[in-house]
Amino acid sequence: QKEVEQNSGPLSVPEGAIASLNCTYSDRVSQSFFWYRQYSGKSPELIMSIYSNGDKEDGRFTAQLNKASQYVSLLIRDSQPSDSATYLCAVLNDYKLSFGAGTTVTVRA
Amino acid sequence: SAVISQKPSRDICQRGTSLTIQCQVDSQVTMMFWYRQQPGQSLTLIATANQGSEATYESGFVIDKFPISRPNLTFSTLTVSNMSPEDSSIYLCSVEASGGYEQYFGPGTRLTVT
Repeated sequence: QKEVEQNSGPLSVPEGAIASLNCTYSDRVSQSFFWYRQYSGKSPELIMSIYSNGDKEDGRFTAQLNKASQYVSLLIRDSQPSDSATYLCAVLNDYKLSFGAGTTVTVRA
Repeated sequence: SAVISQKPSRDICQRGTSLTIQCQVDSQVTMMFWYRQQPGQSLTLIATANQGSEATYESGFVIDKFPISRPNLTFSTLTVSNMSPEDSSIYLCSVEASGGYEQYFGPGTRLTVT
């Protein structure tokens, strides 16, 4: 069983729509969760971190965490072409990050 | 967040040779990490490098193949030894944010082995 699993992509959304990305993790004791954005040919860029159950909003991004269900999600509101990238879910255990396979998002103009 | 640089940004190497990748941070950090991202894949942790101690390697990675140095709190190197085409990947260093759990990545080194 993979430690971190993301919904398979690619995900194509029209400009202005909401993109919804999902992630599940296997280690119940995990406490820290992150979303990275990676543009083609670039390194991952941290866009959200979340540590407590519930929602965390930052601009057009909302991260949601449900530890009981071992589930993390990322919503991108008012999607823009510049949001087209691969989004990586990462879970921290013992200072080490485990990454999901990533979901590639394409925003259609 | 810390500013992280890596050298070289890319290289093409012959099989059987070795390449040393440098990672420089603009502030002192306790923990530095080395990752590999194979073509079309996600990131896999190679090892954790703390200053003053031996690097800790993840399953599937060994010191003879990926020796790491961490001479001070702002610098680390990763050597990819006796390279084969399967080592063609992007190698990334990351650092843990001061006082937090977040990790930030350098720009990466794109390695092609022919």
